[in-house]
Amino acid sequence: RKEVEQDPGPFNVPEGATVAFNCTYSNSASQSFFWYRQDCRKEPKLLMSVYSSGNEDGRFTAQLNRASQYISLLIRDSKLSDSATYLCVVTLQAGTALIFGKGTTLSVSS
Amino acid sequence: DVKVTQSSRYLVKRTGEKVFLECVQDMDHENMFWYRQDPGLGLRLIYFSYDVKMKEKGDIPEGYSVSREKKERFSLILESASTNQTSMYLCASSGAGTAYQETQYFGPGTRLLVL
Repeated sequence: RKEVEQDPGPFNVPEGATVAFNCTYSNSASQSFFWYRQDCRKEPKLLMSVYSSGNEDGRFTAQLNRASQYISLLIRDSKLSDSATYLCVVTLQAGTALIFGKGTTLSVSS
Repeated sequence: DVKVTQSSRYLVKRTGEKVFLECVQDMDHENMFWYRQDPGLGLRLIYFSYDVKMKEKGDIPEGYSVSREKKERFSLILESASTNQTSMYLCASSGAGTAYQETQYFGPGTRLLVL
């Protein structure tokens, strides 16, 4: 059964806060992992890929734990512009359809 | 920049009508996808295509068909629209091969209302 599960939130945090999102996936054959961001009434856009060694892009850090089939996204120093829905995404092999979680909603307030 | 365009942002149709949703990408991508997105259900894959004239069913293909006559264009067809097909429809494309090329680029979406 292919499934990606996320806490839907919403996460309501003040500016400057650190917030973490978690995601679990059920298919151990999953090969690639991503976080996409979707603003209200817009299309999803790639935020970052997730590598086994963990990776960082500015204020964003993504980690993968293959043994536990768990993916995380950490956002430091939250900005108002970070308010969006964050989608955890996996694929079974390169170029195949993405399997989306239902998303976690973040609202950053001043 | 990769660009994926969809023929309409908003569409209103009546039950039983045949509906065509068009998607065009300008990056010579091999793979194209159609998803629908509904509140509480997330994005669900309808159909995808790895090559011209090739198609594969996704998770929810019932009531839909697709056409890919040219590499850059992938059409979603609702043969006889029903009210439960009211949704946001998103097209995406990606290249083949390396992890870099796995990124899917989405069009702006078409909000379809079936009355």
